[in-house]
Amino acid sequence: DAGVTQSPTHLIKTRGQQVTLRCSPKSGHDTVSWYQQALGQGPQFIFQYYEEEERQRGNFPDRFSGHQFPNYSSELNVNALLLGDSALYLCASSPIGTASEAFFGQGTRLTVV
Amino acid sequence: DQQVKQNSPSLSVQEGRISILNCDYTNSMFDYFLWYKKYPAEGPTFLISISSIKDKNEDGRFTVFLNKSAKHLSLHIVPSQPGDSAVYFCAASENSGGSNYKLTFGKGTLLTVNP
Repeated sequence: DAGVTQSPTHLIKTRGQQVTLRCSPKSGHDTVSWYQQALGQGPQFIFQYYEEEERQRGNFPDRFSGHQFPNYSSELNVNALLLGDSALYLCASSPIGTASEAFFGQGTRLTVV
Repeated sequence: DQQVKQNSPSLSVQEGRISILNCDYTNSMFDYFLWYKKYPAEGPTFLISISSIKDKNEDGRFTVFLNKSAKHLSLHIVPSQPGDSAVYFCAASENSGGSNYKLTFGKGTLLTVNP
């Protein structure tokens, strides 16, 4: 079982550009959540996808958008990048309808210059 | 407005002794609590959880205690080992009508276990 995999592991972008991050959930999991972890902070919930729809959303602007595919994998898109978007982006997967723990990927380190 | 607070940024203990990590929360709707451990360059790894209907959950060397009236939980690690050195995150969720649960995290506590 490969667990949750994210790509790429590191990324450097310029202010104003757009970025797409990818996530493959753990086998058997159909729900994907995205989190942003800034330096020295805990992960902050961005949004969650289930059945290819956004189900919950945290306090992030519309520049942050996502998608879930029929195979449950997911993408996070960020438009008009700001310096403050520099962070570790974490993907977590879990089975729907349970209070079970979410499994996290290793994250994508995004640096905006 | 931080709903989950870990007021100790760091904690240092001797190998073999007890490590106690604390967490406070303000949202009364939280009904499920989790602890995650994170090593550098890795994603958080689930450690242990507790439902609000319990006040204690134990798994090997790890025990989580929940005091609902004080809105406080703690993670006890006994005995502590050097491999336990990591950042520990407290997280909480509220039942959102049976769908899956978004997690609200604290800022984390860096635990260092000295040999």
